[in-house]
Amino acid sequence: EIVLTQSPTTIAASPGEKVTITCRASSSVSYMYWYQQKPGASPKPWIYDTSKLASGVPNRFSGSGSGTSYSLTINTMETEDAATYYCQQWSSTPPTFGGGTKLELK
Amino acid sequence: QVKLLQSGAALVKPGASVKMSCKASGYTFTDYWVSWVKQSHGKSLEWIGEIYPNSGATNFNEKFKGKATLTVDKSTSTAYMELSRLTSEDSAIYYCTSDDGWFAYWGQGTLVTVSS
Repeated sequence: EIVLTQSPTTIAASPGEKVTITCRASSSVSYMYWYQQKPGASPKPWIYDTSKLASGVPNRFSGSGSGTSYSLTINTMETEDAATYYCQQWSSTPPTFGGGTKLELK
Repeated sequence: QVKLLQSGAALVKPGASVKMSCKASGYTFTDYWVSWVKQSHGKSLEWIGEIYPNSGATNFNEKFKGKATLTVDKSTSTAYMELSRLTSEDSAIYYCTSDDGWFAYWGQGTLVTVSS
């Protein structure tokens, strides 16, 4: 199965700061998907097909990448963005998730 | 709008089984696969398997073969997952999701606690 490794595991950012989360795949994948999860809630679909924002996601978020390296970027951090973000692939079965990146407010 | 409503929390004894449900609304239930995802406390997400309601076809993560059984009731637009021979390792939140190449809709989760 394809292993997804996210970095960093935890990051703290101040409002207005730019944030980048990386997801590296053990084999090449065609697309990457991202989910946002806050404590006590289900994961929310966030970015699909590598760079498309799910409905309701602010345009300060963006996704990019190809092959084995993908990233999620927040152009200017806002307090509501504090959450855990997971990457996910389904280029091969089973679909797999990264270990998560916890984004905290500094 | 699409909703996936899952059954409530369960406390079960080691060695027992548990069956949870996921009632779909807001879309044609038989058109999309339903996947189940496990999240152990404070940890990441694991895909258990998926079922296609129209035919009952299933696909499983090798890790969960023999542990999870997936079924559907098309008449009520409800998907079910049964977990057998429970151990403490099965204590987790289980989510159902609609599956269209990615997990665009999620249920609220069912917490399963395995304890004597």
